[in-house]
Amino acid sequence: DAGVIQSPRHEVTEMGQEVTLRCKPISGHNSLFWYRQTMMRGLELLIYFNNNVPIDDSGMPEDRFSAKMPNASFSTLKIQPSEPRDSAVYFCASSPGRRQWGPQHFGDGTRLSIL
Amino acid sequence: SQQGEEDPQALSIQEGENATMNCSYKTSINNLQWYRQNSGRGLVHLILIRSNEREKHSGRLRVTLDTSKKSSSLLITASRAADTASYFCATDAMGGNKLVFGAGTILRVKS
Repeated sequence: DAGVIQSPRHEVTEMGQEVTLRCKPISGHNSLFWYRQTMMRGLELLIYFNNNVPIDDSGMPEDRFSAKMPNASFSTLKIQPSEPRDSAVYFCASSPGRRQWGPQHFGDGTRLSIL
Repeated sequence: SQQGEEDPQALSIQEGENATMNCSYKTSINNLQWYRQNSGRGLVHLILIRSNEREKHSGRLRVTLDTSKKSSSLLITASRAADTASYFCATDAMGGNKLVFGAGTILRVKS
Protein backbone atom coordinates (compact mmCIF):
# COMPACT_ATOMS: atom_id res chain seq x y z
CA ASP A 1 0.00 0.00 0.00
CA ALA A 2 1.43 3.41 -0.94
CA GLY A 3 2.35 5.75 1.86
CA VAL A 4 1.84 9.49 2.01
CA ILE A 5 3.11 11.04 -1.21
CA GLN A 6 4.47 14.57 -1.32
CA SER A 7 5.62 16.62 -4.28
CA PRO A 8 7.91 18.14 -5.15
CA ARG A 9 10.71 16.65 -3.03
CA HIS A 10 12.83 19.73 -3.47
CA GLU A 11 11.90 23.28 -4.40
CA VAL A 12 14.24 26.21 -4.86
CA THR A 13 12.71 29.54 -5.73
CA GLU A 14 13.29 33.24 -5.34
CA MET A 15 11.79 35.44 -2.69
CA GLY A 16 8.37 36.75 -3.64
CA GLN A 17 7.40 33.76 -5.75
CA GLU A 18 4.37 31.61 -5.04
CA VAL A 19 5.12 28.11 -3.79
CA THR A 20 2.65 25.22 -3.84
CA LEU A 21 3.34 21.99 -2.01
CA ARG A 22 1.21 18.93 -2.67
CA CYS A 23 0.21 15.92 -0.64
CA LYS A 24 -1.67 12.70 -1.27
CA PRO A 25 -2.62 11.00 2.00
CA ILE A 26 -3.02 7.29 2.55
CA SER A 27 -6.33 6.09 1.16
CA GLY A 28 -8.97 5.79 3.87
CA HIS A 29 -7.26 8.11 6.33
CA ASN A 30 -9.58 10.77 7.74
CA SER A 31 -7.05 13.21 9.11
CA LEU A 32 -4.30 15.15 7.37
CA PHE A 33 -1.59 17.30 8.91
CA TRP A 34 0.95 19.77 7.55
CA TYR A 35 4.15 20.26 9.55
CA ARG A 36 7.23 22.40 9.15
CA GLN A 37 10.65 21.26 10.41
CA THR A 38 13.61 23.56 11.02
CA MET A 39 16.74 23.23 13.10
CA MET A 40 15.74 26.20 15.24
CA ARG A 41 12.09 25.37 15.93
CA GLY A 42 11.93 21.61 15.42
CA LEU A 43 8.73 20.08 14.08
CA GLU A 44 5.74 22.44 14.17
CA LEU A 45 2.14 21.64 13.29
CA LEU A 46 0.81 24.16 10.78
CA ILE A 47 -2.71 22.91 10.10
CA TYR A 48 -4.88 19.86 10.67
CA PHE A 49 -7.80 18.65 8.53
CA ASN A 50 -10.42 16.08 9.43
CA ASN A 51 -12.70 14.76 6.68
CA ASN A 52 -11.36 17.53 4.41
CA VAL A 53 -12.38 20.29 6.85
CA PRO A 54 -9.72 22.47 8.52
CA ILE A 55 -9.98 21.90 12.27
CA ASP A 56 -6.99 23.73 13.66
CA ASP A 57 -4.95 26.27 11.71
CA SER A 58 -3.48 28.06 14.71
CA GLY A 59 0.01 27.02 13.63
CA MET A 60 -0.14 28.75 10.28
CA PRO A 61 2.45 31.47 10.73
CA GLU A 62 1.01 34.25 8.60
CA ASP A 63 -1.63 35.10 6.05
CA ARG A 64 0.95 34.30 3.42
CA PHE A 65 0.31 30.64 4.19
CA SER A 66 -2.86 28.88 3.08
CA ALA A 67 -3.90 25.23 2.89
CA LYS A 68 -6.72 23.46 1.13
CA MET A 69 -8.09 19.96 0.97
CA PRO A 70 -10.56 19.82 -1.92
CA ASN A 71 -11.09 16.08 -1.55
CA ALA A 72 -10.01 13.13 0.56
CA SER A 73 -7.02 12.30 -1.63
CA PHE A 74 -5.35 15.66 -2.14
CA SER A 75 -4.14 18.66 -0.18
CA THR A 76 -2.04 21.71 -0.96
CA LEU A 77 -0.04 24.13 1.14
CA LYS A 78 0.58 27.46 -0.56
CA ILE A 79 2.96 30.26 0.38
CA GLN A 80 2.45 33.58 -1.37
CA PRO A 81 4.62 35.58 -1.39
CA SER A 82 7.49 33.41 -0.18
CA GLU A 83 10.29 34.75 2.04
CA PRO A 84 13.76 33.35 2.89
CA ARG A 85 12.59 32.56 6.46
CA ASP A 86 10.09 30.11 4.99
CA SER A 87 12.98 27.82 4.05
CA ALA A 88 12.38 24.51 5.81
CA VAL A 89 11.31 20.93 5.25
CA TYR A 90 7.53 20.67 5.01
CA PHE A 91 5.90 17.38 5.90
CA CYS A 92 2.45 16.07 5.27
CA ALA A 93 1.10 13.29 7.48
CA SER A 94 -2.15 11.37 7.62
CA SER A 95 -3.93 9.34 10.25
CA PRO A 96 -6.92 7.00 10.17
CA GLY A 97 -8.43 8.47 13.32
CA ARG A 98 -10.47 11.58 13.90
CA ARG A 99 -8.18 12.97 16.52
CA GLN A 100 -4.50 13.81 16.40
CA TRP A 101 -3.70 11.32 19.12
CA GLY A 102 -3.17 8.21 17.06
CA PRO A 103 -0.10 7.21 15.05
CA GLN A 104 0.59 9.50 12.13
CA HIS A 105 2.07 8.42 8.80
CA PHE A 106 4.49 10.92 7.30
CA GLY A 107 5.54 11.58 3.75
CA ASP A 108 9.21 12.17 2.97
CA GLY A 109 8.75 15.92 2.90
CA THR A 110 9.44 18.83 0.58
CA ARG A 111 12.74 20.61 1.16
CA LEU A 112 12.00 24.25 0.37
CA SER A 113 14.71 26.84 -0.18
CA ILE A 114 13.75 30.48 -0.72
CA LEU A 115 16.63 32.56 -2.06
CA SER B 1 7.75 25.71 24.75
CA GLN B 2 7.69 22.12 23.60
CA GLN B 3 5.67 19.61 25.55
CA GLY B 4 8.24 16.81 25.19
CA GLU B 5 11.97 17.20 25.66
CA GLU B 6 14.39 14.41 24.77
CA ASP B 7 17.61 13.62 26.52
CA PRO B 8 20.40 13.26 25.50
CA GLN B 9 20.50 15.47 22.44
CA ALA B 10 22.97 13.09 20.80
CA LEU B 11 24.16 9.58 21.52
CA SER B 12 26.94 7.57 19.90
CA ILE B 13 27.33 3.85 20.61
CA GLN B 14 28.89 0.73 19.15
CA GLU B 15 26.84 -1.82 17.25
CA GLY B 16 25.45 -4.41 19.65
CA GLU B 17 25.17 -2.03 22.59
CA ASN B 18 21.88 -0.83 24.01
CA ALA B 19 20.67 2.73 23.47
CA THR B 20 18.46 4.56 25.94
CA MET B 21 16.72 7.82 25.21
CA ASN B 22 14.55 9.77 27.61
CA CYS B 23 11.63 12.10 27.18
CA SER B 24 10.17 14.47 29.75
CA TYR B 25 6.94 16.39 29.41
CA LYS B 26 5.10 19.06 31.33
CA THR B 27 1.36 18.36 31.49
CA SER B 28 -0.86 15.29 31.88
CA ILE B 29 -1.20 13.29 28.69
CA ASN B 30 -3.48 10.80 26.99
CA ASN B 31 -0.66 8.94 25.32
CA LEU B 32 2.98 9.25 24.33
CA GLN B 33 4.45 8.16 21.02
CA TRP B 34 7.95 7.56 19.73
CA TYR B 35 8.99 8.19 16.15
CA ARG B 36 12.18 7.59 14.16
CA GLN B 37 13.47 9.84 11.38
CA ASN B 38 16.21 8.70 9.04
CA SER B 39 18.22 11.39 7.29
CA GLY B 40 16.25 12.99 4.47
CA ARG B 41 13.10 11.01 5.23
CA GLY B 42 9.82 11.49 7.03
CA LEU B 43 9.07 10.38 10.57
CA VAL B 44 8.09 6.77 11.12
CA HIS B 45 5.85 5.78 14.01
CA LEU B 46 7.50 3.25 16.33
CA ILE B 47 5.29 2.75 19.34
CA LEU B 48 2.42 4.32 21.29
CA ILE B 49 2.00 3.96 25.05
CA ARG B 50 -1.18 5.07 26.77
CA SER B 51 -1.22 6.97 30.04
CA ASN B 52 -2.52 3.92 31.93
CA GLU B 53 0.31 1.69 30.65
CA ARG B 54 3.75 1.45 32.24
CA GLU B 55 5.72 -0.58 29.74
CA LYS B 56 5.41 -1.71 26.15
CA HIS B 57 7.57 -3.84 23.87
CA SER B 58 7.92 -4.05 20.12
CA GLY B 59 10.71 -6.22 18.79
CA ARG B 60 13.99 -4.72 20.05
CA LEU B 61 12.18 -1.65 21.39
CA ARG B 62 11.08 -1.21 24.98
CA VAL B 63 9.22 1.88 26.11
CA THR B 64 8.43 2.80 29.69
CA LEU B 65 6.17 5.54 30.97
CA ASP B 66 6.20 7.09 34.43
CA THR B 67 3.31 9.52 34.67
CA SER B 68 4.25 10.54 38.22
CA LYS B 69 7.60 11.80 36.92
CA LYS B 70 6.15 12.87 33.56
CA SER B 71 8.83 10.94 31.73
CA SER B 72 9.30 8.12 29.26
CA SER B 73 12.26 6.15 28.03
CA LEU B 74 12.94 4.32 24.79
CA LEU B 75 15.39 1.44 24.94
CA ILE B 76 16.78 -0.10 21.75
CA THR B 77 18.51 -3.37 22.51
CA ALA B 78 21.34 -4.90 20.47
CA SER B 79 21.61 -1.83 18.29
CA ARG B 80 22.48 -2.02 14.60
CA ALA B 81 24.01 0.49 12.22
CA ALA B 82 20.57 0.76 10.60
CA ASP B 83 19.21 2.19 13.88
CA THR B 84 21.20 5.38 13.20
CA ALA B 85 18.52 8.07 13.07
CA SER B 86 16.84 10.81 15.08
CA TYR B 87 14.26 9.71 17.62
CA PHE B 88 11.38 11.90 18.73
CA CYS B 89 8.79 11.61 21.44
CA ALA B 90 5.38 13.13 20.85
CA THR B 91 2.69 13.84 23.41
CA ASP B 92 -0.89 14.96 23.35
CA ALA B 93 -1.83 16.99 26.38
CA MET B 94 -5.15 16.12 28.04
CA GLY B 95 -7.66 18.65 26.80
CA GLY B 96 -5.28 19.66 24.06
CA ASN B 97 -5.86 19.20 20.39
CA LYS B 98 -2.46 18.64 18.90
CA LEU B 99 0.43 16.22 18.99
CA VAL B 100 3.55 18.05 20.11
CA PHE B 101 6.98 16.71 19.17
CA GLY B 102 10.17 17.09 21.15
CA ALA B 103 13.48 18.25 19.70
CA GLY B 104 14.74 14.70 19.24
CA THR B 105 17.76 12.59 20.10
CA ILE B 106 20.30 11.92 17.36
CA LEU B 107 21.50 8.33 17.63
CA ARG B 108 24.60 7.14 15.84
CA VAL B 109 25.42 3.44 15.89
CA LYS B 110 28.97 2.71 14.79
CA SER B 111 29.76 -0.59 13.10
